Amino acid sequence: EADIYQTPRYLVIGTGKKITLECSQTMGHDKMYWYQQDPGMELHLIHYSYGVNSTEKGDLSSESTVSRIRTEHFPLTLESARPSHTSQYLCASSGTTGVSGANVLTFGAGSRLTVL
Amino acid sequence: AQSVSQHNHHVILSEAASLELGCNYSYGGTVNLFWYVQYPGQHLQLLLKYFSGDPLVKGIKGFEAEFIKSKFSFNLRKPSVQWSDTAEYFCAVSPYSGGYQKVTFGTGTKLQVIP
Repeated sequence: EADIYQTPRYLVIGTGKKITLECSQTMGHDKMYWYQQDPGMELHLIHYSYGVNSTEKGDLSSESTVSRIRTEHFPLTLESARPSHTSQYLCASSGTTGVSGANVLTFGAGSRLTVL
Repeated sequence: AQSVSQHNHHVILSEAASLELGCNYSYGGTVNLFWYVQYPGQHLQLLLKYFSGDPLVKGIKGFEAEFIKSKFSFNLRKPSVQWSDTAEYFCAVSPYSGGYQKVTFGTGTKLQVIP
């Protein structure tokens, strides 16, 4: 059972609307991430955070923004949604594991966004 | 920058058949390797991981993967699949180092097991 929660699971909105996708984790993980997932494509990292007040852009350019005011909360916001933003957005978090400090990711269930 | 290639996009097997999903990565240094699985309607979850040591790693539900460094491969195997293994499988790689390590995913392989 995942300890990372995303809301809403599904969202259909019109062009130009502002939306916020919520992500919360209860594991006390420092690192949090947003990935974008489209069918048949790899997961693309769009934002990540090392901790409170730390946010960075990922590999895939995104018009979305994120904030990290609390350790457990990492919301993603689109100020003006467009059809090109239609996708599945996955939130993940990680602590560090073992001597390598490797990132083992725990994922939320995802938020599927459709912009008409 | 690292990259991951999964050669099979869609695999269909009958129950009890053996499974092998290919995964190759490109990265010049030491890596951590992962397989994640996404069952229908569920979240992505870790299936197994390789950090160091024995290159044959065992995961949940009878899955295993073998790291072959010379081939830059980390193929996933299961001797006998079940209908409940129907899912999408993602291979992932991250550099073996401290600090932030970017995790790069492949495009995924959809496995359909026919009863």
